Amino acid sequence: AQSVSQHNHHVILSEAASLELGCNYSYGGTVNLFWYVQYPGQHLQLLLKYFSGDPLVKGIKGFEAEFIKSKFSFNLRKPSVQWSDTAEYFCAVIPLSGGYNKLIFGAGTRLAVHP
Amino acid sequence: EPEVTQTPSHQVTQMGQEVILRCVPISNHLYFYWYRQILGQKVEFLVSFYNNEISEKSEIFDDQFSVERPDGSNFTLKIRSTKLEDSAMYFCASRTGDRVLDEQFFGPGTRLTVL
Repeated sequence: AQSVSQHNHHVILSEAASLELGCNYSYGGTVNLFWYVQYPGQHLQLLLKYFSGDPLVKGIKGFEAEFIKSKFSFNLRKPSVQWSDTAEYFCAVIPLSGGYNKLIFGAGTRLAVHP
Repeated sequence: EPEVTQTPSHQVTQMGQEVILRCVPISNHLYFYWYRQILGQKVEFLVSFYNNEISEKSEIFDDQFSVERPDGSNFTLKIRSTKLEDSAMYFCASRTGDRVLDEQFFGPGTRLTVL
């Protein structure tokens, strides 16, 4: 079955530390890949997306993600986190052979950044 | 900036009662979605809606669920006879156009509590 795995459920970092959140998907065909963020009390917002081309994708707020096709991975990174990055982060996939583009989400990673 | 809105923010109901969750998608969007997130679990796709009909639905979306776009602005999810296990956060999303990489914009969610 199609699934998305996020390796860390909770991550605690100090400000200025580097961040890497893992995401793997199980789907053999072509996919579009997304990272969404949900700040406390707010909507799910798109951080970045990958559909083709350069496998290193830059998003908002200094985030980037690298698509490694051979590893079925799309890890999210940020070189130096801030307290305001405290949020829940969701990796998601749209398999392109599917119908009308439903997002398949990972379980989410809750990030807490301490000042 | 236009955004997806949802009402109510929190709905408490008795088991067996009908509930209607309301969403106002972004005005020029054509594709509409409902997702849900049971506490502590993944965000799960329920249904997608395009051109006034369901385009795809998940196994969760059984006969107890229905969706409707009663006018040009609202998009509703009805649960006919709620069960305890329907308690979850329900998110509406919408997107424009027919490009698969178009972003889905999410509403803030409705927290449904079934007692």
